[in-house]
Amino acid sequence: DAMVIQNPRYQVTQFGKPVTLSCSQTLNHNVMYWYQQKSSQAPKLLFHYYDKDFNNEADTPDNFQSRRPNTSFCFLDIRSPGLGDAAMYLCATSRGGPAYNEQFFGPGTRLTVL
Amino acid sequence: DQQVKQNSPSLSVQEGRISILNCDYTNSMFDYFLWYKKYPAEGPTFLISISSIKDKNEDGRFTVFLNKSAKHLSLHIVPSQPGDSAVYFCAASSLKGGGSNYKLTFGKGTLLTVNP
Repeated sequence: DAMVIQNPRYQVTQFGKPVTLSCSQTLNHNVMYWYQQKSSQAPKLLFHYYDKDFNNEADTPDNFQSRRPNTSFCFLDIRSPGLGDAAMYLCATSRGGPAYNEQFFGPGTRLTVL
Repeated sequence: DQQVKQNSPSLSVQEGRISILNCDYTNSMFDYFLWYKKYPAEGPTFLISISSIKDKNEDGRFTVFLNKSAKHLSLHIVPSQPGDSAVYFCAASSLKGGGSNYKLTFGKGTLLTVNP
C-alpha cells in the first residue's frame, strides 16, 4: 500500500540535545509538509517542500530545520529542543499541481523533551 | 488569530442518529474545504472535501454543506456508527494566490463520540 511513514513513532530527547525526525513516502508526491500539533490544538504548518523548493512559514522558529534529499524522504531537525517543542510532529504529502488535492498524513512522531 | 474555528470541542451522539459537526472560517480567500478524521495514535485521514463553487457534497453517509455568505460549513454523518468516534478536523485552503494552494489551515478539531 502506498503510504506515508514516520520514524520513530515516539522520540525522547533531552533539553538542548539535537533530534531528527524522519518521514518517507511511497506515493511519489511532489509536496511534503511538516506540521506541529500540540494537545487540543490545530496542526500548525512549519514548512513544506515542493520538489526541492523549500517554503518556510514566517513564524517557524529558526530552531526547526528541514532537509529533503530526494522525492521519498524528508527530515525535520530540531537543533536545540526546548520544553515547548514537545508535541506531535506530523508529516504529510500531496501531489501538488495547479488544482488542489488532499494531503496524506503519516501516523506522527510524539516528541518528549526532558 | 484563528482563521478556521471549530467551536465545539466535543460532541456525543447516539448510534443511528445524525452527527453534525460545524466549522466557521474568517478568511474570504478560502475556496476549498476539507474534513479529516483522526483516530488516536494515527495521522489524520482525508474524509471529504468541497469547493466553493458548490454548496453540498455527498459521499455515502457523509455530507458536507457550505454556506459561503455565512462562512460556515458543516459535516453531517447519517447514520452515525460507533466506528465514527474520532476527532474531526476542518481545514481550508485557497486555490488563488500561487503557492498557497498547497497549504491547509486547520481548526482545532471536534471529538465525536458515538454511543452504542
